[in-house]
Amino acid sequence: GAGVSQSPSNKVTEKGKDVELRCDPISGHTALYWYRQSLGQGLEFLIYFQGNSAPDKSGLPSDRFSAERTGGSVSTLTIQRTQQEDSAVYLCASSPWDRGRRGTGELFFGEGSRLTVL
Amino acid sequence: GEDVEQSLFLSVREGDSSVINCTYTDSSSTYLYWYKQEPGAGLQLLTYIFSNMDMKQDQRLTVLLNKKDKHLSLRIADTQTGDSAIYFCAEANAGNNRKLIWGLGTSLAVNP
Repeated sequence: GAGVSQSPSNKVTEKGKDVELRCDPISGHTALYWYRQSLGQGLEFLIYFQGNSAPDKSGLPSDRFSAERTGGSVSTLTIQRTQQEDSAVYLCASSPWDRGRRGTGELFFGEGSRLTVL
Repeated sequence: GEDVEQSLFLSVREGDSSVINCTYTDSSSTYLYWYKQEPGAGLQLLTYIFSNMDMKQDQRLTVLLNKKDKHLSLRIADTQTGDSAIYFCAEANAGNNRKLIWGLGTSLAVNP
């Protein structure tokens, strides 16, 4: 598709279960970001991929959170043993930014995956 | 660490101008951005300004940058109800892997 696609758009799960959130970036975009947006909060950076590698995982809140990216394209954010405080909208963004190329650094966002942990 | 601050709420009447303000701390900012988030949607880039500029105009939008005071503003002329959204200010430092530092967002309410 033309834009960043995220699935599922809504996920309700029970505390303690694992969830996987998927992001399909815009084709050809080398950079991919995961953010978390909680009610009344700004954007919380989670992790950044350049290609398949993650040079910055500094935002992952705990070791229950992990993410991978394969083929320089699709990324999956996995939350193990979910807790109620994990409830939020998880936003994925991609960017054509390449280290050697000047650009505006614009991020293209998906519509997010809303996670509710009961 | 670096920080970006914005006021949380702004209410204006339809047809008036809106001014959303943002301050940041990173003196090495290269780009500063305004993103718009409509209800239930992802964020969309509205406009941006390079740090060596002090003004950028794009139709109803005017961005002013005061680099000395580290102050950024977004003016929306003739504000319409469709402009009701959350507006996020963000700054990027090219030496930091383009990880943006975000404000908390300003919720703009446009009243008829």
